[in-house]
Amino acid sequence: EIVLTQSPGTLSLSPGERATLSCRASQSVSSTYLAWYQQKPGQAPRLLIYGASSRATGIPDRFSGSGSGTDFTLTISRLEPEDFAVYYCQHYGSSPRYTFGQGTKLEIK
Amino acid sequence: EVQLVESGGGLIQPGRSLRLSCAASGFSFDDYAMHWVRQAPGKGLEWVSGISWNSGSIGYADSVKGRFTISRDNAKNSLFLQMSSLRAEDTALYYCAKGMYFDWTSPARSWGQGTLVTVSS
Repeated sequence: EIVLTQSPGTLSLSPGERATLSCRASQSVSSTYLAWYQQKPGQAPRLLIYGASSRATGIPDRFSGSGSGTDFTLTISRLEPEDFAVYYCQHYGSSPRYTFGQGTKLEIK
Repeated sequence: EVQLVESGGGLIQPGRSLRLSCAASGFSFDDYAMHWVRQAPGKGLEWVSGISWNSGSIGYADSVKGRFTISRDNAKNSLFLQMSSLRAEDTALYYCAKGMYFDWTSPARSWGQGTLVTVSS
């Protein structure tokens, strides 16, 4: 079973700063099957990135994804007030099975 | 506009069964895979199950395999999750989600607001 470990657990930054969130897989995964989601309190998650680096429809270009193998990164170039939320990475292949990381909380400093 | 509306949640005793439903609208339901994803109170996301566009391919998390059954009715634009032998650890908000593609090995593109299942005596 693949395990996705996100770091840091909590990231404290100010609006306008750059955020870098990490997702490390316990074994190599295809970048084709790596996604990132944003979830705000009381809301359903929202797909941001799929295929490790492709932005979903309607996602601002300040969000970008990168990585391969076991190390993947979500970068938010200039934080806006609405970006403070919890972020999850996800592997959505069939083998290893579909799984989520434990999440990174991005909070206002 | 894609709309996904879950229903069927509630308080249920351990060991009992419950069936969740998801009514879909705003897209061609029979062209897309669908998923159930759950979130225990204050916890992270856990994928539960996925089903391809024609029900030909289905996947389950190990934690629910053998207890939960996913199904869909394309004629009624509906997704279902039959849950049996429920346990306290199944307590969660259950989201219905639309896949990006026809196969369930695709990310969850759109989400409903969830239905809460509480397993307790």
